[in-house]
Amino acid sequence: KNEVEQSPQNLTAQEGEFITINCSYSVGISALHWLQQHPGGGIVSLFMLSSGKKKHGRLIATINIQEKHSSLHITASHPRDSAVYICAVRLTGGADGLTFGKGTHLIIQP
Amino acid sequence: DADVTQTPRNRITKTGKRIMLECSQTKGHDRMYWYRQDPGLGLRLIYYSFDVKDINKGEISDGYSVSRQAQAKFSLSLESAIPNQTALYFCATSDWGRRGELFFGEGSRLTVL
Repeated sequence: KNEVEQSPQNLTAQEGEFITINCSYSVGISALHWLQQHPGGGIVSLFMLSSGKKKHGRLIATINIQEKHSSLHITASHPRDSAVYICAVRLTGGADGLTFGKGTHLIIQP
Repeated sequence: DADVTQTPRNRITKTGKRIMLECSQTKGHDRMYWYRQDPGLGLRLIYYSFDVKDINKGEISDGYSVSRQAQAKFSLSLESAIPNQTALYFCATSDWGRRGELFFGEGSRLTVL
């Protein structure tokens, strides 16, 4: 069983829709990252969370440590938001480095 | 200059050849990582380094070696490349525990024929 599970795997939505991507993990973590990977490969860290909620522009990330769950929300989605969104966690007590979900492939249609 | 620079960006090689992927960073981070990305498997940790004297194996280190030549430079070597090492490779740096900064290079696409 994967330690980090994302849902949905694929999501197609219309421009302007509110988007939610979910991440559940089964192990203890010290931090969680949401990453964005555009076609062509580059990866950008959007947020690092250890508790609560963070907001940057149209992106909002939340984490519930007790429920081992995080969500990434995109408000007023736009075609340029089309990308793969990856949840990654830093395990407590384990090797350094991140453990990754398999990603959510988001397509926003005009 | 990019925060994390990987070279080469694309490489096609043959089975048995030695390959080196290089990574340099301008962030001043102590921690550097090499990850491999495969379709359907996501990213997996190959090696990581806390400083030039501290190198650690990750989840999938077999068939790979690394060298931390300086704080800013971390290279990944495939001593004898095999086809199942065909993948997209990413270098990353982190200031873990300070500002939570995490930066990835643009990736190096390696094809082993």
